[in-house]
Amino acid sequence: AQSVTQLDSQVPVFEEAPVELRCNYSSSVSVYLFWYVQYPNQGLQLLLKYLSGSTLVKGINGFEAEFNKSQTSFHLRKPSVHISDTAEYFCAVSAETSGSRLTFGEGTQLTVNP
Amino acid sequence: DAEITQSPRHKITETGRQVTLACHQTWNHNNMFWYRQDLGHGLRLIHYSYGVHDTNKGEVSDGYSVSRSNTEDLPLTLESAASSQTSVYFCASSESNLHEQYFGPGTRLTVT
Repeated sequence: AQSVTQLDSQVPVFEEAPVELRCNYSSSVSVYLFWYVQYPNQGLQLLLKYLSGSTLVKGINGFEAEFNKSQTSFHLRKPSVHISDTAEYFCAVSAETSGSRLTFGEGTQLTVNP
Repeated sequence: DAEITQSPRHKITETGRQVTLACHQTWNHNNMFWYRQDLGHGLRLIHYSYGVHDTNKGEVSDGYSVSRSNTEDLPLTLESAASSQTSVYFCASSESNLHEQYFGPGTRLTVT
């Protein structure tokens, strides 16, 4: 079975500052990794995903994440955040052997202040 | 444009009543999923389906059932609603395990 830990439940930052949202996972088999964003009163939408290949993955809205197999991490970063980035962010993992099933972390609320 | 819809968006029901939440997707995806979202728990998988007449239990399936009679729909039924089932429910679909899941807008269910 897989598990995901998002190390920060809330991350407050000022506008134009860099941000890192941390995600660690555990799995006994190879995994696929995802970051989703949820704006208030909406469903989730995909920010980026890692399936294979380059460990640095670029996504929408200027976000990127780096897969680190030795540290079992998939941290999300953005060099300069905007007020509109305020949302909840979810890290998720899917094992190669588990079909399409996703296991989600508990989420990180990113609040960007002016 | 293809989409995934859920209805109703909000529902209040009483303990013990049967409730069905609808999920409809026009992506023609074989894989469909139901999650519940609760504060401090993220999203937890309730049931999922990999195709017509295929259904499987997720990690929190007790008290819930699904059926898949066609590709487009995966209704979620609460046989006898309990206050512990007050939550926001999300439906999702995907083409395969290499592809992202597309999420519906959610249904907020309150059981009184």
